[in-house]
Amino acid sequence: DGGITQSPKYLFRKEGQNVTLSCEQNLNHDAMYWYRQDPGQGLRLIYYSQIVNDFQKGDIAEGYSVSREKKESFPLTVTSAQKNPTAFYLCASINTGAGNQPQHFGDGTRLSIL
Amino acid sequence: DQQVKQNSPSLSVQEGRISILNCDYTNSMFDYFLWYKKYPAEGPTFLISISSIKDKNEDGRFTVFLNKSAKHLSLHIVPSQPGDSAVYFCAARSTVAGNMLTFGGGTRLMVKP
Repeated sequence: DGGITQSPKYLFRKEGQNVTLSCEQNLNHDAMYWYRQDPGQGLRLIYYSQIVNDFQKGDIAEGYSVSREKKESFPLTVTSAQKNPTAFYLCASINTGAGNQPQHFGDGTRLSIL
Repeated sequence: DQQVKQNSPSLSVQEGRISILNCDYTNSMFDYFLWYKKYPAEGPTFLISISSIKDKNEDGRFTVFLNKSAKHLSLHIVPSQPGDSAVYFCAARSTVAGNMLTFGGGTRLMVKP
C-alpha cells in the first residue's frame, strides 16, 4: 500500500536541542516538501527537494535543515536556532512529471517544547 | 503578503443545504488550484482541483469554480453532510516555482444535522 509515512507522531524538544523528523514515501515521487502549520493558520513551506541531493529553501527555512540522500527519504531537522518550533509538521510528495497532480501528504508530526 | 486568502475562518451550514467556500489569490502565475480537506492531527486529503484553463470542475457532490478575471475560486458542496465537517484549505501552484503550493489560511466548515 503506497503512501507517505511520518514519524514520530509526537515529539518533544528540550531547549538547545536539535531534533529530526522522518518522512518516507514509497510512491516513487521525485519531489518532496516540508510544511509547518500553526494553530488556526494555513500551511507554510519550509524546504522542498525536486531531486536527490538537491533542495531549496521555502518561505520559512530559518532554523531548519534537510537532506535528500535517497529518493524516498526527506528528513527535516529542527535546530536550536528555531526559536518557536512548536507546530504541526507535514511532509508531502508529488510526481512532477505526471502533469497536474495533487501533492500527497503524510499524517504529520506534532512537535512541542519541554 | 498573503498570495492566497480564505477570508471566512468558519462556516456553519445545515445538513442537506449547499456549502460555499471561497478563496482569493493575487499571483497571476498560478496555473493550478486545489482544495484539501483536513481533520485535526491528520494530514490534508486532496479533494478536487482545477486547471487555470477551465472555469469549472465537478466530482460528485463537489464542484470547484474558477473566475480568473476576479482571481477567485470557490468550492461548492451539495448536499452538505455532517461528515463534511472539517477544515478546508485552498492551494495554488505556480509551475515556475518548483511546483510549490501556496495555501490559504483555511475555513472550518461545520455541517449541523
